[in-house]
Amino acid sequence: SQQGEEDPQALSIQEGENATMNCSYKTSINNLQWYRQNSGRGLVHLILIRSNEREKHSGRLRVTLDTSKKSSSLLITASRAADTASYFCATGRYGGSQGNLIFGKGTKLSVKP
Amino acid sequence: DGGITQSPKYLFRKEGQNVTLSCEQNLNHDAMYWYRQDPGQGLRLIYYSQIVNDFQKGDIAEGYSVSREKKESFPLTVTSAQKNPTAFYLCASSRTGSMNTEAFFGQGTRLTVV
Repeated sequence: SQQGEEDPQALSIQEGENATMNCSYKTSINNLQWYRQNSGRGLVHLILIRSNEREKHSGRLRVTLDTSKKSSSLLITASRAADTASYFCATGRYGGSQGNLIFGKGTKLSVKP
Repeated sequence: DGGITQSPKYLFRKEGQNVTLSCEQNLNHDAMYWYRQDPGQGLRLIYYSQIVNDFQKGDIAEGYSVSREKKESFPLTVTSAQKNPTAFYLCASSRTGSMNTEAFFGQGTRLTVV
């Protein structure tokens, strides 16, 4: 079952521009995490935002969380060609399967030099 | 270097064959996970383990089996019962099974049926 859904599915921008990706989810969450995946590689954790937080920064990354709208956004400022990758949001699952993350389908970001 | 290692990177399976994917971590993490990734479908959970000698089925466990005899190791066997095994398999670990911890991923194993 898919919990997080990223939007857009694909995004193409020029180097130096900002990139914004959105994630919507369906049920209550404990936290929301963003991951990055370079083509054919494993995922790398970028940032975790808790349900009682509204905004978090890490370097050129800015994540917001709106629990009333069940949505989150990831902003990458001053993008670089090296930011080209797929970006996934993941939410923690409550209930019998506690402890595992549900991933969305990802946003494929292409940054052109 | 601390990390999570998957092997092999590429694996080819003949029809009717069982194959085992290796996943080892030296991060001293309690929890380990196996995900399957197909194009355009994101990651789907196959099995997870929160402690040694214990594991639970995820969303798509049919045709797969796992063991967790050691904290560091969580091998995945793709059995002949898995009818469409061609995919990218990702192993992950986290410090605990808590939702408040980040997951660390291996580099993946690409399995192809020939």
